Amino acid sequence: GAGVSQSPRYKVTKRGQDVALRCDPISGHVSLYWYRQALGQGPEFLTYFNYEAQQDKSGLPNDRFSAERPEGSISTLTIQRTEQRDSAMYRCASSPYRPGTGAGEQYFGPGTRLTVT
Amino acid sequence: GQSLEQPSEVTAVEGAIVQINCTYQTSGFYGLSWYQQHDGGAPTFLSYNALDGLEETGRFSSFLSRSDSYGYLLLQELQMKDSASYFCAVKSGDYKLSFGAGTTVTVRA
Repeated sequence: GAGVSQSPRYKVTKRGQDVALRCDPISGHVSLYWYRQALGQGPEFLTYFNYEAQQDKSGLPNDRFSAERPEGSISTLTIQRTEQRDSAMYRCASSPYRPGTGAGEQYFGPGTRLTVT
Repeated sequence: GQSLEQPSEVTAVEGAIVQINCTYQTSGFYGLSWYQQHDGGAPTFLSYNALDGLEETGRFSSFLSRSDSYGYLLLQELQMKDSASYFCAVKSGDYKLSFGAGTTVTVRA
């Protein structure tokens, strides 16, 4: 079946603009995660949704970052008033309900490469 | 918080066996995952260990010792396509996964 998809794959924006990054998880996966990944590093947790409920946003760097998943499927990560330090690869992942494994087994999307100029 | 340590690089020849160690410190521990990431690609799930012992999946095996806060990923019969970064990740709650910095494995002919 289809994997996790993200759009756009690449986004170049000017400092101060808002951007919206979209994630379409694997059908039936109730859990959805957003990560940021710097070159040469592992993914860094940003936020987590269980169905439509955002249960943890502790990894969001500041209040310019927000995320939603209104119908428990597609999610959007929004960055307002972008800054150059926001440039990174943003990845979305989803996981099925699997007792015992849960979030240990995640399926990642191809990511959105954000460049703020 | 969580901290994970794994070697930054490993080089081996085709057909060899490579072991990537991961030690962790965490305030809560549910299990240890391993992910593979090829250059330019997305991380892909390899294995998850919640209990002590060895889990084997084809050429790859993963081991966990909860008492030692230690795990490893064993890659056997190395192939060129195994050249990639490998990340260990600690599951510290129902949903939280914290990744290490990754180990770059280079397979030489």
